[in-house]
Amino acid sequence: EPEVTQTPSHQVTQMGQEVILRCVPISNHLYFYWYRQILGQKVEFLVSFYNNEISEKSEIFDDQFSVERPDGSNFTLKIRSTKLEDSAMYFCASSVTASNQPQHFGDGTRLSIL
Amino acid sequence: GDSVTQMEGPVTLSEEAFLTINCTYTATGYPSLFWYVQYPGEGLQLLLKATKADDKGSNKGFEATYRKETTSFHLEKGSVQVSDSAVYFCALSDGATNKLIFGTGTLLAVQP
Repeated sequence: EPEVTQTPSHQVTQMGQEVILRCVPISNHLYFYWYRQILGQKVEFLVSFYNNEISEKSEIFDDQFSVERPDGSNFTLKIRSTKLEDSAMYFCASSVTASNQPQHFGDGTRLSIL
Repeated sequence: GDSVTQMEGPVTLSEEAFLTINCTYTATGYPSLFWYVQYPGEGLQLLLKATKADDKGSNKGFEATYRKETTSFHLEKGSVQVSDSAVYFCALSDGATNKLIFGTGTLLAVQP
């Protein structure tokens, strides 16, 4: 069964540095998402992306964050000038369409900011 | 705004016991409802879904019925196994944006 893959599985970065989290969505999916889960808290929506544009973003997704689909397969989340509170598990997801279709998630990247 | 309230865990059961994990939601429109499961060290996997009132989602012995009158989507299984030990997340998405809104997750531990 096709799956969403995320790399790296664990990223350790010094505060203030930039990180790029990578995702390869399922190949025939058109909608892409990032979520994060701070340890012990809810899974929170960050951003959705379709047709090379952001469809929706949450309040969390401020100017520190950006997303990109640099080629036909990858979908990246960039976090500039990382802060301690950015430490979390980041999940990528994709879906075929946006109309109440289930999203398929990757295994996540654990981001640790030191 | 839309929200999901989920039964707090952890829930500890013996093998073959009956499972219920409660989930209620608040939404302005007509959301779709989902249960996702997260096994240790893994990502979120879709367990089941229901897209309209009175729909019943089912998978791997788990069931949940979309109850509009009580705004609920409780997860049930008649006989749990040790391999069902995981964190279970209830979630909704509205038709407009498809972003998922999650509950807090319920840790289920099944003992042999």
